[in-house]
Amino acid sequence: DTGVSQDPRHKITKRGQNVTFRCDPISEHNRLYWYRQTLGQGPEFLTYFQNEAQLEKSRLLSDRFSAERPKGSFSTLEIQRTEQGDSAMYLCASSPAGWNEQYFGPGTRLTVT
Amino acid sequence: AQKVTQAQTEISVVEKEDVTLDCVYETRDTTYYLFWYKQPPSGELVFLIRRNSFDEQNEISGRYSWNFQKSTSSFNFTITASQVVDSAVYFCALTTFFGNEKLTFGTGTRLTIIP
Repeated sequence: DTGVSQDPRHKITKRGQNVTFRCDPISEHNRLYWYRQTLGQGPEFLTYFQNEAQLEKSRLLSDRFSAERPKGSFSTLEIQRTEQGDSAMYLCASSPAGWNEQYFGPGTRLTVT
Repeated sequence: AQKVTQAQTEISVVEKEDVTLDCVYETRDTTYYLFWYKQPPSGELVFLIRRNSFDEQNEISGRYSWNFQKSTSSFNFTITASQVVDSAVYFCALTTFFGNEKLTFGTGTRLTIIP
């Protein structure tokens, strides 16, 4: 399978707990993006990387959120002290270069109880 | 600032009918890219098409066609002879040259094809 993969696919956590999601992009893609999608809405941009450099962060990404891409390959998104408002689908996408189409993974659905 | 509007929240058509999904965008940039994505019930976004702002030529791919009109800031998507497998949520998205490549999505149109 050469597509974008995400792990886990589903995560249920209690408010206040920390969670970490992983994304493995398509291997030759140097750009990696994180989006968040809530019910009935389109995905909203969170952050993106070119290789290991994090180039932009949305104001949606509060200080409880942190993303890394340490070796320019896979990426992790961590949410600390989760809140019920963090419940959403977290989508990862990758692309080979700027302004090309982004290929999305299946997402991680987070439910905060 | 950039914005994408998909005014049609839900559409239902009977199988084999044609259906058009509307997309209107706003941007001050003269260089931008428009996209359509399909999100089937499984949830994974599937890329359908990318167009740049300098190419207004309409495109056809099988039963799918796209009509890009800069004069009305629209990028509409038509499915001809719809099939049940076309049932999904369809998103229009925009990225601009100065938008650092992030996609701005519309709220999506849920298309249901009735057998």
